[in-house]
Amino acid sequence: DAKTTQPNSMESNEEEPVHLPCNHSTISGTDYIHWYRQLPSQGPEYVIHGLTSNVNNRMASLAIAEDRKSSTLILHRATLRDAAVYYCILRPGAQKLVFGQGTRLTINP
Amino acid sequence: DADVTQTPRNRITKTGKRIMLECSQTKGHDRMYWYRQDPGLGLRLIYYSFDVKDINKGEISDGYSVSRQAQAKFSLSLESAIPNQTALYFCATSDELAGAINEQFFGPGTRLTVL
Repeated sequence: DAKTTQPNSMESNEEEPVHLPCNHSTISGTDYIHWYRQLPSQGPEYVIHGLTSNVNNRMASLAIAEDRKSSTLILHRATLRDAAVYYCILRPGAQKLVFGQGTRLTINP
Repeated sequence: DADVTQTPRNRITKTGKRIMLECSQTKGHDRMYWYRQDPGLGLRLIYYSFDVKDINKGEISDGYSVSRQAQAKFSLSLESAIPNQTALYFCATSDELAGAINEQFFGPGTRLTVL
């Protein structure tokens, strides 16, 4: 499984945008980039995924570098409820997920 | 009602005891998974099943067994629990749609303590 590298922790302020980086220099052509997050005391939940093009949904945006060796999850206007651990995962097609340690995001009021 | 439920939510047991964790889903998904999470770490896959007749080992299956009793039910057993199996256990499900990316839906977790 190709590996991802994320910062251990990040901090931001409420109502400001947050950019969560992920490096995946060994990504292969069939790997999709998935993001999940885990709120305190809950199971992980899907956030967004993409292959080559930038993606938007109601939760976040995903910006993928042209060479696909890095990506950024963008929360446009963070709320306290967005405080969670965010996992960047490479997944070839419909294969199983392999979680890393993720980035712990703290949101300050 | 929750789509993916796990029972029990919390369990304390003793070394050497047999314990079963149960997972049920109402999403109608074919695929089910068991993960464990240790403090400060990400989730690690124990076992997964792509349909009722299909069981596969994940990265940390030693000391665990599973049973897929029906499409909706997937149980994880610890035949003889040991303290380093103390962890948070998550069940997940996903659908199998050709050409689609199969989002996984997670249960609320079972906190297991082995004394």
